[in-house]
Parts: sequence; C-alpha cells; structure tokens
Amino acid sequence: DGGITQSPKYLFRKEGQNVTLSCEQNLNHDAMYWYRQDPGQGLRLIYYSQIVNDFQKGDIAEGYSVSREKKESFPLTVTSAQKNPTAFYLCASSAITSAASYEQYFGPGTRLTVT
Amino acid sequence: AQSVTQLDSQVPVFEEAPVELRCNYSSSVSVYLFWYVQYPNQGLQLLLKYLSGSTLVKGINGFEAEFNKSQTSFHLRKPSVHISDTAEYFCAVRGIQGAQKLVFGQGTRLTINP
Repeated sequence: DGGITQSPKYLFRKEGQNVTLSCEQNLNHDAMYWYRQDPGQGLRLIYYSQIVNDFQKGDIAEGYSVSREKKESFPLTVTSAQKNPTAFYLCASSAITSAASYEQYFGPGTRLTVT
Repeated sequence: AQSVTQLDSQVPVFEEAPVELRCNYSSSVSVYLFWYVQYPNQGLQLLLKYLSGSTLVKGINGFEAEFNKSQTSFHLRKPSVHISDTAEYFCAVRGIQGAQKLVFGQGTRLTINP
C-alpha cells in the first residue's frame, strides 16, 4: 500500500537532548512537509522540501533542522534549542507536477514529549 | 500571504442533526481551498477540495462545502451526522501560484451526542 510512515508513534526525551523523527513515503512525491500541531492552534509549517537536497524554512523553523538526501525520506531533528518541543508532529507529501499536486497526504504523526 | 479563520472552536450536535462548520479566509490572490478531518491521535485525511468550477463541492462521508468568493468563505456542511463523524476538522488554503504551502485554520472540534 502506498502511503507515509512516521516512526515512532510516541517518543519521550529528556530536556537538552536532540531527537530525530522519521518520515518515509512511497508515493513517489517530490514535495514533503513537516508540521507541528498544538491544541487550539491548528497546524504550523516547520520546513518543506520540493526536491532532493533542497529545503525551505516554514513559519516556525527555529530549533528544528531537516535533511532531504533521498526523495522518499525527510527526517526532522528537534534540537535542544527548541524551547517548547512537546507537540504532535505531522509529516506530509504531495506531487508537484500534475493536478494531483493540489492535495497533501499526511502520515499518522509522532507525539513527542520532552520532560 | 493567506490566512484562515475557523469561527467555532467546538461544535456539539445531536446525532442525525445537520451541521455547518464555518471557515473564512483572507488572500490577495486566487486560492485553492481544502477541508481535512483528523480522528484522535491520527493524521489528517482530505474530505474535499475546491480548485475551480462549480462552487458546491461534494466530498467523502456525505460532506459538502460551498465556495463563496464574495464572502471569502468555504463552509462545510452535512445534512445528517453520525457518531462516527466525531473528530477535528481543519480548513486550509493555498495560493494557486507559487509554493504549495498550505495555511491551516485553528480547527473545529465536532462532537456528536446520541
């Protein structure tokens, strides 16, 4: 089945540690996105990438980093510089070269808790 | 740039009653509009989208939405809800040109009571 996988579903870390969230897609999509979700705030864009080895900051990139070495993978690192990292993180992907590019497909999310 | 306002953070309704979830947007350019649904601790699933053409758009699970350009609105409706419709609903917008970033509203939590 085609789709997006995120692992793990739940992640616990101590304050001051970096942590990397995994996102893999087998939809052959060029574009990938990371969002952060907090209660009552909707989804906010952290980073996005439209092509391998290139990515752009979203609205709340401070304290986060990404890489895009392969088309199907877009890992997100939450660094110790992120002041409030506890949140639900969602990865998404979309095509960019056809009418299907208008829709973003989402993974199941990773809930990160930092104490 | 675009922005989205979902006018109700929570909407409680009884089963089999109709429901409307309101969404207004702001944009200096033409837009595409989307409604997504999120069940607890899951990702988002597309309900429907407006790209062009007929302003009344039908989606999955019996939902529909109407694009009103003059009022910059894209309200979501269902004539008769079920317990299984209990979820959070997000309205989203993106400009038709440029980067494909979606801008999301704050979400509306729909609770269906028996």
